[in-house]
Amino acid sequence: GDSVTQMEGPVTLSEEAFLTINCTYTATGYPSLFWYVQYPGEGLQLLLKATKADDKGSNKGFEATYRKETTSFHLEKGSVQVSDSAVYFCALRNTGKLIFGQGTTLQVKP
Amino acid sequence: DAGITQSPRHKVTETGTPVTLRCHQTENHRYMYWYRQDPGHGLRLIHYSYGVKDTDKGEVSDGYSVSRSKTEDFLLTLESATSSQTSVYFCAISGYNEQFFGPGTRLTVL
Repeated sequence: GDSVTQMEGPVTLSEEAFLTINCTYTATGYPSLFWYVQYPGEGLQLLLKATKADDKGSNKGFEATYRKETTSFHLEKGSVQVSDSAVYFCALRNTGKLIFGQGTTLQVKP
Repeated sequence: DAGITQSPRHKVTETGTPVTLRCHQTENHRYMYWYRQDPGHGLRLIHYSYGVKDTDKGEVSDGYSVSRSKTEDFLLTLESATSSQTSVYFCAISGYNEQFFGPGTRLTVL
């Protein structure tokens, strides 16, 4: 069945460092891909999405490109801030259902 | 923000008791979902609904039932709570190619 695999965390970075969180997927057909963010004590919020191959989703300085050839959707940000500390979830949507990766905790230190 | 509320936000109960969690939406979306979030597992789909009185099982449906008698309300019932059902429960609604999540309910089963 469909699945999403994320790099294990936690990821700890200093402020202004470059961030990459790896995400790969297995799916039949042409899924849409998403990154969600969860701040402490809150629900999930959509961060960005891409609906077809080679699309780039971007929001708040975060970017991810839908790579069908490598079945990947890695999340990147050029300069992280303390306020980016959160749990990040990669997800795919196929046949109407969202399937999530296990989540990656990011901690950014001043 | 999408209009999704969950009640209660926190609940502590004892093993063997029935528990009902409520999700309420003001967006008139057809699809509604219940997930549970556990460390190392991301979010896993319990049940979902694609219309009034139309529901289907998700990945981890054992021990849970749902009902949807109105478009705006989706109830999740733990028929006889067990300690393994201690979790954070999230409701979601589905817009165009995007899901919006409620704030979550933290359930502790003693």
